[in-house]
Amino acid sequence: AQSVTQLDSQVPVFEEAPVELRCNYSSSVSVYLFWYVQYPNQGLQLLLKYLSGSTLVESINGFEAEFNKSQTSFHLRKPSVHISDTAEYFCAAPLGNTGRRALTFGSGTRLQVQP
Amino acid sequence: IAGITQAPTSQILAAGRRMTLRCTQDMRHNAMYWYRQDLGLGLRLIHYSNTAGTTGKGEVPDGYSVSRANTDDFPLTLASAVPSQTSVYFCASSELDNNEQFFGPGTRLTVL
Repeated sequence: AQSVTQLDSQVPVFEEAPVELRCNYSSSVSVYLFWYVQYPNQGLQLLLKYLSGSTLVESINGFEAEFNKSQTSFHLRKPSVHISDTAEYFCAAPLGNTGRRALTFGSGTRLQVQP
Repeated sequence: IAGITQAPTSQILAAGRRMTLRCTQDMRHNAMYWYRQDLGLGLRLIHYSNTAGTTGKGEVPDGYSVSRANTDDFPLTLASAVPSQTSVYFCASSELDNNEQFFGPGTRLTVL
């Protein structure tokens, strides 16, 4: 079964600065990786996903993540953040023995964008 | 209905009481899931169902039960609530063989 580790519980950053949210995974089988975002008092929304193909995946709101097999990482980056990016971000991977559909989540990283 | 709905939005419950959290989806997804979210722990899978009529245990199933009588509904029952079940509960669904999950708005449950 896969597992994911998010190394930072909180990341404060100023508006328009770049940001990187770190995620490492452990797996001995094919890798599927996801980033979800949770805005305050809401459910989770899919931000981007890696299933196969290009190792760099992008979201519609300027985030990108790169699948790095040698470093077992899937870090999320944005070159210039906005106040509206303030949210909690979760890295996720298939749980394993549930038909590869249920997910296991990291503990989350709270991104706090300050003016 | 659009997507996934959960009810109630929030609930305060006395320990020992029985409680059912409701989840309904209108996307005709085969797979449905229940997660609990606790500070510092992320989301943990309680139970899942890959198709109507089948269910399975997740990472933290103790104290919870589920049923999947049809495609759209996936209720979660706490037979005898305990304070450690205080949490935010999220229902989610996905298409068969597609890991992209869609989440409901959550139910905030407090057990006193």
